[in-house]
Amino acid sequence: KQEVTQIPAALSVPEGENLVLNCSFTDSAIYNLQWFRQDPGKGLTSLLLIQSSQREQTSGRLNASLDKSSGRSTLYIAASQPGDSATYLCAVSSPGANSKLTFGKGITLSVRP
Amino acid sequence: DAGVTQSPTHLIKTRGQQVTLRCSPKSGHDTVSWYQQALGQGPQFIFQYYEEEERQRGNFPDRFSGHQFPNYSSELNVNALLLGDSALYLCASSLVLAGGPVQETQYFGPGTRLLVL
Repeated sequence: KQEVTQIPAALSVPEGENLVLNCSFTDSAIYNLQWFRQDPGKGLTSLLLIQSSQREQTSGRLNASLDKSSGRSTLYIAASQPGDSATYLCAVSSPGANSKLTFGKGITLSVRP
Repeated sequence: DAGVTQSPTHLIKTRGQQVTLRCSPKSGHDTVSWYQQALGQGPQFIFQYYEEEERQRGNFPDRFSGHQFPNYSSELNVNALLLGDSALYLCASSLVLAGGPVQETQYFGPGTRLLVL
């Protein structure tokens, strides 16, 4: 059974800091991995999707990397801003699972002005 | 181009009642998945509908059922509500290529917040 872990549960940083959010998964046989953002009480916004054959994806100030063999992914946020404050969720899709996503519990990020 | 829409946005029910939640997928998408997100937790997969049939199911009791219509929209029904069913219910749509795993990102709706008293 695939399990996804995100530690720590919460993080507080000053504005302008570069930061890394970590995600680990137990079964390396994944089809793809996605990072989502969730604002309080809202739905999920997809940030980046990495196919299993890829090592990283970039979008603006965000960079996500994937190391399947070690079961890890990181989301790098450059020059953090107060508007980046949200919960960041990592989810994996496994082969044969027909796109079912297994999520971590998320990391709640607070960027202080 | 409308994204994924869900209705209602909020709902309050009492224990034992039944509820129906609705989802319209993003234009061009043919697959709808439902997730339950309890407070402080990650979303948990309930089930997925493709071609009007339940294709995969998570670890949820039979009180949770669904339907997909010919226009790809979907309903989630929960019978005999329990206090523990209080959660944010999320719908996600995607496009399955040739019946295989999803190649692209899934798009999530804003969710329906269900409170069971």
